[in-house]
Amino acid sequence: GAGVSQTPSNKVTEKGKYVELRCDPISGHTALYWYRQSLGQGPEFLIYFQGTGAADDSGLPNDRFFAVRPEGSVSTLKIQRTERGDSAVYLCASSPTGQGPSSEAFFGQGTRLTVV
Amino acid sequence: ELKVEQNPLFLSMQEGKNYTIYCNYSTTSDRLYWYRQDPGKSLESLFVLLSNGAVKQEGRLMASLDTKARLSTLHITAAVHDLSATYFCAVVLGGYGGATNKLIFGTGTLLAVQP
Repeated sequence: GAGVSQTPSNKVTEKGKYVELRCDPISGHTALYWYRQSLGQGPEFLIYFQGTGAADDSGLPNDRFFAVRPEGSVSTLKIQRTERGDSAVYLCASSPTGQGPSSEAFFGQGTRLTVV
Repeated sequence: ELKVEQNPLFLSMQEGKNYTIYCNYSTTSDRLYWYRQDPGKSLESLFVLLSNGAVKQEGRLMASLDTKARLSTLHITAAVHDLSATYFCAVVLGGYGGATNKLIFGTGTLLAVQP
């Protein structure tokens, strides 16, 4: 596609439920990132994939959060036993490579998650 | 730990005026980005600054980088209402050859340009 696509754009779920957020990166981009943006804050890094593997998952807040990218393209961020504090906009970004000046990240529109 | 601070957090300015947003970061980095975010929208890349003394300009916006001072500025010239948005600076943690390429964002500056 022309840009990074994220679905759904909005998700409302009940506390304790499981959710999956999908990211479809720009075709050919090997690097993929997930960020979380709370209201009035800058995005915070969650996880970085280079190809199929998670090269850096140091930003995942706890073991309820998990992400996969099984074929090196689409990625899914999974949140178990959601809590109200998980409410935020989840942003996905991709870049052609993971390093160097050509690695500028392009962001999707985000998924607004609301846990009620 | 890399920290990125922006100031001011909120800026109300009149059309036609000039102002500067500041971005300080705490450790060495080889890349700094400026992004614009409109309400409810994603991040739009404005500038990437790669070296000490780098200066880039696009329309009424000009960004500069001083890696020795660990400071970047975003200067707004003769502001217009269309520039109203939140502006973020972001610094790369990891660097060339590093295992990661994650961005550390500042807190953002909400710019409101009044007619």
